[in-house]
Amino acid sequence: DVKVTQSSRYLVKRTGEKVFLECVQDMDHENMFWYRQDPGLGLRLIYFSYDVKMKEKGDIPEGYSVSREKKERFSLILESASTNQTSMYLCASRPNREVVYEQYFGPGTRLTVT
Amino acid sequence: AQSVTQLDSQVPVFEEAPVELRCNYSSSVSVYLFWYVQYPNQGLQLLLKYLSGSTLVKGINGFEAEFNKSQTSFHLRKPSVHISDTAEYFCAVTVNAGGTSYGKLTFGQGTILTVHP
Repeated sequence: DVKVTQSSRYLVKRTGEKVFLECVQDMDHENMFWYRQDPGLGLRLIYFSYDVKMKEKGDIPEGYSVSREKKERFSLILESASTNQTSMYLCASRPNREVVYEQYFGPGTRLTVT
Repeated sequence: AQSVTQLDSQVPVFEEAPVELRCNYSSSVSVYLFWYVQYPNQGLQLLLKYLSGSTLVKGINGFEAEFNKSQTSFHLRKPSVHISDTAEYFCAVTVNAGGTSYGKLTFGQGTILTVHP
């Protein structure tokens, strides 16, 4: 069974803090993704990584950066958290094969920035 | 670029009634379509996917969806819902852009299905 875990289910941070969200998958998947989920907007792609140390911007990368030093771990970094980054953050992974292979999601981290 | 529109943000229904959640997509190339479900306080779980072949796709928990290329739709249906089907449902699309697509998904806005006793 594929397992994608995220370091925290709930997180409360103050404006201006540096925030790290961690994601780990145990299936040796090459591709990993970070999304944010907001009511009425669905899921929007922030960044994705197709291999170790390789990354590409998604649709809403502003205010975020990522790090992938090991294949199983993909970190999302908020350099200086702001209140408009209060959201649910979801991590996903998939093998780098034909597009028909689906993404597997973690349980999410609900981040509140005050 | 592709886009996905879920036509209903909320769908209330009584237990054992049929339900249809509507999804339309836009793309200039061939697409692959997915439905995911998110139960309260959980991540997303795949319900079903359309790749090719038969336009009627069966998924888990008694759900099915029909791909209609002429209407660019991929509506999700269940003939009789249960209380446990209360969740948010997301339609998503990916395109076959060769090795550079990496299976990136474009999601719809989500439909909250609430099943009442």
